[in-house]
Amino acid sequence: KAGVTQTPRYLIKTRGQQVTLSCSPISGHRSVSWYQQTPGQGLQFLFEYFSETQRNKGNFPGRFSGRQFSNSRSEMNVSTLELGDSALYLCASSLTGSLLLGSEQYFGPGTRLTVT
Amino acid sequence: DAKTTQPPSMDCAEGRAANLPCNHSTISGNEYVYWYRQIHSQGPQYIIHGLKNNETNEMASLIITEDRKSSTLILPHATLRDTAVYYCIVRVSTVNTDKLIFGTGTRLQVFP
Repeated sequence: KAGVTQTPRYLIKTRGQQVTLSCSPISGHRSVSWYQQTPGQGLQFLFEYFSETQRNKGNFPGRFSGRQFSNSRSEMNVSTLELGDSALYLCASSLTGSLLLGSEQYFGPGTRLTVT
Repeated sequence: DAKTTQPPSMDCAEGRAANLPCNHSTISGNEYVYWYRQIHSQGPQYIIHGLKNNETNEMASLIITEDRKSSTLILPHATLRDTAVYYCIVRVSTVNTDKLIFGTGTRLQVFP
């Protein structure tokens, strides 16, 4: 079974631009979560989607948004990029997104975004 | 979500057991202890989790104290490929939401 895939793997953007990152979960997984990893802040939760609905959100500004499609693939968008948005963006998928139903999160390799 | 405290770094000789401690003194009854690791430039990898009882799988063992305020991840025979940052996470989950709150982790260096 293929793992979580993320595209692109590397991206360079300029301040003020916007960017869209893509995540394809493991086949059959319906929950997709996004995380940001920076040297200063570590791994931080961005948001989680399940069945095309955002059901949990971290403490990030509204410039960070996402969506999930009917095939569970997800995209996240960052508008008006700032230098501080340079980070590794990780996507994780799980079957149900609920520990109570025995679901684990499996991470993709990430997209490394550099804002200049 | 309860906060976790881990030592910033540890060393371990190849072939020996690596014992990684984690304190979670504010853990509550419905919170699980999870361990993930991250090898440089890769996404985090799930290792093991537990609630009250000790757990073992093909990768590691998890020992949780009776009061659940601390736990230890044990890699029984560490290899060079186990060099990574190990995250201990206390995780609340309901049927409607689920997220991981990562701390700073322990950087484990396995040496020959």
